[in-house]
Amino acid sequence: QKEVEQNSGPLSVPEGAIASLNCTYSDRGSQSFFWYRQYSGKSPELIMSIYSNGDKEDGRFTAQLNKASQYVSLLIRDSQPSDSATYLCAVNGGAQKLVFGQGTRLTINP
Amino acid sequence: KAGVTQTPRYLIKTRGQQVTLSCSPISGHRSVSWYQQTPGQGLQFLFEYFSETQRNKGNFPGRFSGRQFSNSRSEMNVSTLELGDSALYLCASSEEGPYYGYTFGSGTRLTVV
Repeated sequence: QKEVEQNSGPLSVPEGAIASLNCTYSDRGSQSFFWYRQYSGKSPELIMSIYSNGDKEDGRFTAQLNKASQYVSLLIRDSQPSDSATYLCAVNGGAQKLVFGQGTRLTINP
Repeated sequence: KAGVTQTPRYLIKTRGQQVTLSCSPISGHRSVSWYQQTPGQGLQFLFEYFSETQRNKGNFPGRFSGRQFSNSRSEMNVSTLELGDSALYLCASSEEGPYYGYTFGSGTRLTVV
């Protein structure tokens, strides 16, 4: 079983809709969770972090964490074509080692 | 604040050669991590350094090595290059502790021919 799993997609969402990205992880001791956005040909960029169960909102982005279910999600409201990218879920188990999922490729259709 | 700087941006090497990649972290960041990114495997953890000590190592052969200097700058070395080493090598720096996200450099694109 992979440590961090994501649906590779592609996920296609119409402009203005909500995009929902999901991630599961295997290490119950994981302490912190991150979402990165990676445009084609670029390096990953940190967009959200979450440490406690529940929701965390930042602009159009909402990260959700459920430690009991070992599940993290990212919601993007009012999706824009500029949101088209690969979204990477990353989990830190406390040993200063960030483990990444394979990424979900998101396409926003105008 | 300047970001994470990686040099060179692009490299073409021949099988059997060795290569050294360089990374300068964000000022004040003492943790530096290296990742290999390929289309098939995604982002794979290579190693992490803190205060000149390797604290974590991923599942890569011994041909992959690294080091960190007293100013937190880091280098990674790949010896006896193989075609499968062609990838984007990413360096990331962070503050110490599990609650800090990593900031990535632009990466070094290595092509082995």
